[in-house]
Amino acid sequence: DARVTQTPRHKVTEMGQEVTMRCQPILGHNTVFWYRQTMMQGLELLAYFRNRAPLDDSGMPKDRFSAEMPDATLATLKIQPSEPRDSAVYFCASGLETTWGAGANVLTFGAGSRLTVL
Amino acid sequence: RKEVEQDPGPFNVPEGATVAFNCTYSNSASQSFFWYRQDCRKEPKLLMSVYSSGNEDGRFTAQLNRASQYISLLIRDSKLSDSATYLCVVAYGGSQGNLIFGKGTKLSVKP
Repeated sequence: DARVTQTPRHKVTEMGQEVTMRCQPILGHNTVFWYRQTMMQGLELLAYFRNRAPLDDSGMPKDRFSAEMPDATLATLKIQPSEPRDSAVYFCASGLETTWGAGANVLTFGAGSRLTVL
Repeated sequence: RKEVEQDPGPFNVPEGATVAFNCTYSNSASQSFFWYRQDCRKEPKLLMSVYSSGNEDGRFTAQLNRASQYISLLIRDSKLSDSATYLCVVAYGGSQGNLIFGKGTKLSVKP
């Protein structure tokens, strides 16, 4: 089965440190998403790329978060400096968005990166 | 008003029971609807799409009520393995960036 690969799976760091999370989307998919999940907020969209171009990062704290797709096989989410309130599970997801109907809205999620900032 | 609302539960049911969840959405322009399943400490996975005419997949039935702006998921003959959180997802427009996830309803099936 094709899958979205995320690294690291777990990360414990201290406040102020830089954290970089990586994602390899499914080959052939043209959209990549970064979501953050907490018990309180559920799944929150942080960033959305289509064909490597950033389309929506309105959900991302701009002062400390950045998301990039240096190439079609790699998406990164960086937090600098990290804060305790950033502790959450970060999911990457990819999908195939086409100009016609059904199936365009189905996403495949990676296993997530569980971040703990002390 | 939240865009997609779900009862967080938990719904605690015995094996073999029938259980139903509802999810309401606020954007009347919503076009596509889905149920995702998320196991504890795992990623969300697509369970089923929800079509206007309703659809069934084995023990699972999904319904859409556009007039009242809600979708439902019915699970018959529930199994222990059905224990998970069920996320309602609503999309408007053809862009995947317009997917809105509910916070999920937790189901616990007991022996």
